[in-house]
Amino acid sequence: GAVVSQHPSRVICKSGTSVKIECRSLDFQATTMFWYRQFPKKSLMLMATSNEGSKATYEQGVEKDKFLINHASLTLSTLTVTSAHPEDSSFYICSARVVAGSDEQFFGPGTRLTVL
Amino acid sequence: AQSVAQPEDQVNVAEGNPLTVKCTYSVSGNPYLFWYVQYPNRGLQFLLKYITGDNLVKGSYGFEAEFNKSQTSFHLKKPSALVSDSALYFCAVNTGGFKTIFGAGTRLFVKA
Repeated sequence: GAVVSQHPSRVICKSGTSVKIECRSLDFQATTMFWYRQFPKKSLMLMATSNEGSKATYEQGVEKDKFLINHASLTLSTLTVTSAHPEDSSFYICSARVVAGSDEQFFGPGTRLTVL
Repeated sequence: AQSVAQPEDQVNVAEGNPLTVKCTYSVSGNPYLFWYVQYPNRGLQFLLKYITGDNLVKGSYGFEAEFNKSQTSFHLKKPSALVSDSALYFCAVNTGGFKTIFGAGTRLFVKA
C-alpha cells in the first residue's frame, strides 16, 4: 500500500519557537494532503486541507497564521506551528489522497509535539 | 451535515470471543464508509472500506464490516478476537468529496 512518512516523530520545543513538521508521500503523488490534530483520547480534528500549488483551506477555528501549511510539491506538505505555546502540544497526523472521491486516505505515523 | 457516531467509548472482550465495534452514520447521498485502527502513538491504519456492492466487506487482520442501509450502520466485526487487536478504532464517512468525517473512536480491549 501507499506509504506516508512524517518527520520528526517527536519534537520538544520551548514556548515561543516555531516547529516544522514534514509529511511526505513516498511512493505516490498526493494531489491532496490533510492535517489533523488529535487530543488525548479524542478523535481526529481536521485542521486544514491542502492541494499542491495552492493555498490551504483551513477549518473553522483553526488559525491560519499560527498553523502555516505549505504544499509545494505532489509529495511534500509541511505544517509549521509558529510561536508555539504549551496548548499547542498535541499529536499531529497528516494524510494523503491520490485522487478525490472514494479513495481512502493514507496516514502518516504522526508527530508528537510537546511545547514546554 | 455528515456525522459519524460510535456509541461505545470502550469495548471489552475476551480473547477468542467474537467482537463488534458499532458505528452509525448520517449523510446525504451515498456513503463511502471506512474503518481505521490506531495503535498508541501511531497514525491510522486502513482496515476496510465500503463503496458499493456486497454489504459484507472483508478487510485486514480478519476484520469485516456489514453495511446496513436501512439502519445506517457499518459495524466492525471479527469472529475471534486476539489480544493484539487491542487498539483504538475509528469509523469514518465520506460522500465523495474532500472531507472525511471521523467518529470519536472506540477503544477495544481484548483480555487474555
